[in-house]
Amino acid sequence: QSALTQPASVSGSPGQSIAISCTGTSSDVGSSNHVSWYQQHPGKAPKLIIYDVTNRPSGVSDRFSGSKSGNTASLTISGLQAEDESDYFCTSYTTTRTYVFGTGTKVTVL
Amino acid sequence: EVQVLESGGGLVQPGGSLRLSCAASGFTFSRNFMSWVRQTPGRGLEWVSSISKSGDATYYADSVKGRFTVSRDNSKNTLYLQMNGLRAEDTAVYYCAKDLLWSWDYWGQGTLVTVSS
Repeated sequence: QSALTQPASVSGSPGQSIAISCTGTSSDVGSSNHVSWYQQHPGKAPKLIIYDVTNRPSGVSDRFSGSKSGNTASLTISGLQAEDESDYFCTSYTTTRTYVFGTGTKVTVL
Repeated sequence: EVQVLESGGGLVQPGGSLRLSCAASGFTFSRNFMSWVRQTPGRGLEWVSSISKSGDATYYADSVKGRFTVSRDNSKNTLYLQMNGLRAEDTAVYYCAKDLLWSWDYWGQGTLVTVSS
């Protein structure tokens, strides 16, 4: 199972919106409603920010939103803030009952 | 407060074995699937294994199938990962994580496994 493809880096100015793509195949993202997104600060464990494509866990800012079209899922961060500077990973459940992660995206707030 | 705490990492020679443990608290352990996820600087995050609530169903990544065994003791609120036939490419930080609907909502701080001679 190959890793899902994410851009290596995305940047934006405070207050702007940015989107991170996560491209897989018909065996994972394309056929799964179980796509999730994680934020990871350096030296810390990942934090769940989106599950089941569009859902936010309790306590996660509504500036984070998720969507999916075909084999590509997306995470949008609106009203970008300095604290959003971090690494972001997507993951998808697959047709073989396994999980595959994305390659990771470093978000920089300019 | 939900907590998961990994232990058991360390330095091991290629071909060796190691058992990781994950002590859980703050939630009803027996009502949740649990998983192991590992991370390396070069390969990023990689799902390793998951186990059902009762432990009767287990799932593995192809990269560890046949070498790693996940188990749990619901009476002790503890998750385990027995790792045999370790290889250099198994070197990683191993996280224990609580499942939430095919995602992971609580993670430990990780335990480092280094496979090297």
